[in-house]
Amino acid sequence: DVKVTQSSRYLVKRTGEKVFLECVQDMDHENMFWYRQDPGLGLRLIYFSYDVKMKEKGDIPEGYSVSREKKERFSLILESASTNQTSMYLCASSPRVGTGELFFGEGSRLTVL
Amino acid sequence: SQQGEEDPQALSIQEGENATMNCSYKTSINNLQWYRQNSGRGLVHLILIRSNEREKHSGRLRVTLDTSKKSSSLLITASRAADTASYFCATEGSYGKLTFGQGTILTVHP
Repeated sequence: DVKVTQSSRYLVKRTGEKVFLECVQDMDHENMFWYRQDPGLGLRLIYFSYDVKMKEKGDIPEGYSVSREKKERFSLILESASTNQTSMYLCASSPRVGTGELFFGEGSRLTVL
Repeated sequence: SQQGEEDPQALSIQEGENATMNCSYKTSINNLQWYRQNSGRGLVHLILIRSNEREKHSGRLRVTLDTSKKSSSLLITASRAADTASYFCATEGSYGKLTFGQGTILTVHP
């Protein structure tokens, strides 16, 4: 089975802190994605990557950056966390473009105080 | 922008009844997918229907797609309490990007 592992299920950070959310997949997938999920807004794409060292902005990239140094790992970085970044963050991967199904991690619930 | 919009936002039914959820989208798609999310967990893929397909079945799930109306429906037959979850439609665009709707919260009462 494909496994997408997000390093932290729950985090509490203070405004201004730098936050790293880590995601690792074990099935050699080409594509990796970061979404945030908020009540009433559904899932919104932050960034995605279709290859190592490649990244593309999604719909809401402001305040975030990403890193993909190795194929299996895709990190989401909040350079200076703000309270409006309190959310559930979901990482996903897929084998390659056009294959459809995304495999999701369990999510990381971030609270910024 | 939200590509997929689900309707209704919430649905409450009794075990054994059928549940129907609808999804509308705005632009052309490669495929449309349905996902399920249990409370506080990640999403799990249920079924994918390609733009040249009109109907697809998987177990108790039936999905239809009407590209002329830019809409899809998910039918869960003979629902069970374990089907209680949020259900999302998602449309696939370039680079395999999925755009999700806001979801339908389904509650199935024993």
